Amino acid sequence: DIQLTQSPSFLSASVGDRVTITCRASQAITNYLVWYQQKPGKAPTLLIFGASNLYSGVPSRFSGSGSGTEFTLTISSLQPEDFATYYCQQLESSPPWTFGQGTQVEIK
Amino acid sequence: QVQLVESGGGVVQPGGSLRLSCAASGFTFNTYGLHWVRQLPGKGLEWVTVISPDGSVKSYADSVKDRFTISRDNSRDTLYLQMTTLRPEDTAVYYCARATSGSGWHKGGIVYYYYGMDVWGQGTMVTVSS
Repeated sequence: DIQLTQSPSFLSASVGDRVTITCRASQAITNYLVWYQQKPGKAPTLLIFGASNLYSGVPSRFSGSGSGTEFTLTISSLQPEDFATYYCQQLESSPPWTFGQGTQVEIK
Repeated sequence: QVQLVESGGGVVQPGGSLRLSCAASGFTFNTYGLHWVRQLPGKGLEWVTVISPDGSVKSYADSVKDRFTISRDNSRDTLYLQMTTLRPEDTAVYYCARATSGSGWHKGGIVYYYYGMDVWGQGTMVTVSS
């Protein structure tokens, strides 16, 4: 199984900050990596698919990049509604389609 | 609007069984692959299983293989998860989710859904405890 490791696991930031979350895969994957946002008590929502494609309706301050074994999610200017937990997921390999352990973004 | 609504969660003893349902609305149900994903209390997400639009191709995580069965009724726009031989470690919120890429890509007997999950239900809690 492909393992995904996110860093950091916890991030404290202020409104307006640029935030970058990294997702590292245990083996190279093409670009079938997605990012989700999850707020407490709610289901995840899709942010990015295909490593760098913004899903419909997602604000443009979110962006994704990367290839091979290292991928990043960037929030260009953190907004109050962005405080949440973020997960990457790979869908490259045969199942299981694993998730990273999550990165919790909190207000500084 | 596009919606998935889970039901059927509850408290069950170890070794017991439970069937979850996921009712869909607002989209053409029989053209989308559908997943179940779970989240252990206070923990991250774990992909559980997926079923193809016509119900013919299914994949499972090793942790639930031979204990859980995914199925769908396209005449009722409903997805199911039959869970048997439940263990305390199955305690989680269970989400159903729609495959972003619709019908996916068939390769080597597996259907791949490369673009993740774009519509999620609100989740249903399953607690396995004596």
